[in-house]
Amino acid sequence: KQEVTQIPAALSVPEGENLVLNCSFTDSAIYNLQWFRQDPGKGLTSLLLIQSSQREQTSGRLNASLDKSSGRSTLYIAASQPGDSATYLCAVKIGETSYDKVIFGPGTSLSVIP
Amino acid sequence: NAGVTQTPKFRILKIGQSMTLQCTQDMNHNYMYWYRQDPGMGLKLIYYSVGAGITDKGEVPNGYNVSRSTTEDFPLRLELAAPSQTSVYFCASSYLRRGNTGELFFGEGSRLTVL
Repeated sequence: KQEVTQIPAALSVPEGENLVLNCSFTDSAIYNLQWFRQDPGKGLTSLLLIQSSQREQTSGRLNASLDKSSGRSTLYIAASQPGDSATYLCAVKIGETSYDKVIFGPGTSLSVIP
Repeated sequence: NAGVTQTPKFRILKIGQSMTLQCTQDMNHNYMYWYRQDPGMGLKLIYYSVGAGITDKGEVPNGYNVSRSTTEDFPLRLELAAPSQTSVYFCASSYLRRGNTGELFFGEGSRLTVL
């Protein structure tokens, strides 16, 4: 059974630091992995999606990597800003047409201190 | 760009009452989903739909019903509200075809409290 974990559960950093958020999954047979951001009281906003054949994706200050063999993905945030404060979730999709097989991690709550 | 729209944003129900959470998307996505999010529990899939007229149960379907009469709309119905259904509900959609990424798009959520 696929399980997705995210460590740490919470992280607090000073503004300007580079940081890494971790996502681990137990079954390497994934279709894609998606990183989301969730602000308090809001929905999930898609940040990056990595297909199983890809190693990384970049968008602005964000870079997500994928290592299927080790069951890990990392989200790298460069030069963090207070506006980056949010909860970050990763989600693993199993199978191209397995509509119900999207497993979410519990999230990492990030606070960037001015 | 409306994306995925959910209503209402907040609702308080009494035990035993019924209500419908509305969800509509304007991206012509074929797949739609309902999730609930509870503190420390992550997102759990309630029901999903692969297209108009087709729905199926997810991980936690008990106490809920859905319908999909059009591509755009996917309402979630709670028939006899129970305190265990106090949660934040999210509707999501995606476009799934062979070779497509299947990226998920979420609504802003509906916070439901059952007293």
